[in-house]
Amino acid sequence: KNEVEQSPQNLTAQEGEFITINCSYSVGISALHWLQQHPGGGIVSLFMLSSGKKKHGRLIATINIQEKHSSLHITASHPRDSAVYICAVFPGTDKLIFGTGTRLQVFP
Amino acid sequence: NAGVMQNPRHLVRRRGQEARLRCSPMKGHSHVYWYRQLPEEGLKFMVYLQKENIIDESGMPKERFSAEFPKEGPSILRIQQVVRGDSAAYFCASSPGQILQETQYFGPGTRLLVL
Repeated sequence: KNEVEQSPQNLTAQEGEFITINCSYSVGISALHWLQQHPGGGIVSLFMLSSGKKKHGRLIATINIQEKHSSLHITASHPRDSAVYICAVFPGTDKLIFGTGTRLQVFP
Repeated sequence: NAGVMQNPRHLVRRRGQEARLRCSPMKGHSHVYWYRQLPEEGLKFMVYLQKENIIDESGMPKERFSAEFPKEGPSILRIQQVVRGDSAAYFCASSPGQILQETQYFGPGTRLLVL
């Protein structure tokens, strides 16, 4: 069993829909990253959080340390949001442990 | 301020050849991380370096793989005597190195294909 699990693995949505991607982890962590990997392969860091909630534009990330769970929400989704979203955790060290990603496709 | 640079972006090697992958961190960043993404798999940690020091190489195969981050110049990930199973995307990330567990900034990756 992976230490970091994401759900769903694949997600399709119509433009404008509200999207939620979930991440559960089984190790103690000091912080969690949400990353976006575009079809071309480049990786962008969206958020790093260790408690509570962060918002950037249409993206919202929340984390519940007690429940070992984080969610990434996208409001008013757009086709340009189509990408793989990856959850990664810092297990108290500087090396990240990654989930296998959620592939999102948003159709116009 | 340029982001993390990696070159080459694509590299083709025949079995038994050597592959050298370069990573220039963001300006002012002293920590470099290398990750590997095998086809249809998630990213996996390989090695964490600071200038002239390997901090953690627990994710790197014991044989054929080495990494360095010299005082001057880019970080280099070197794979000797490549095999088909080494075909993957190799990503480098950097961070400032001022606090623990900082945001890491990723390069565009090097896609290695071993024929």
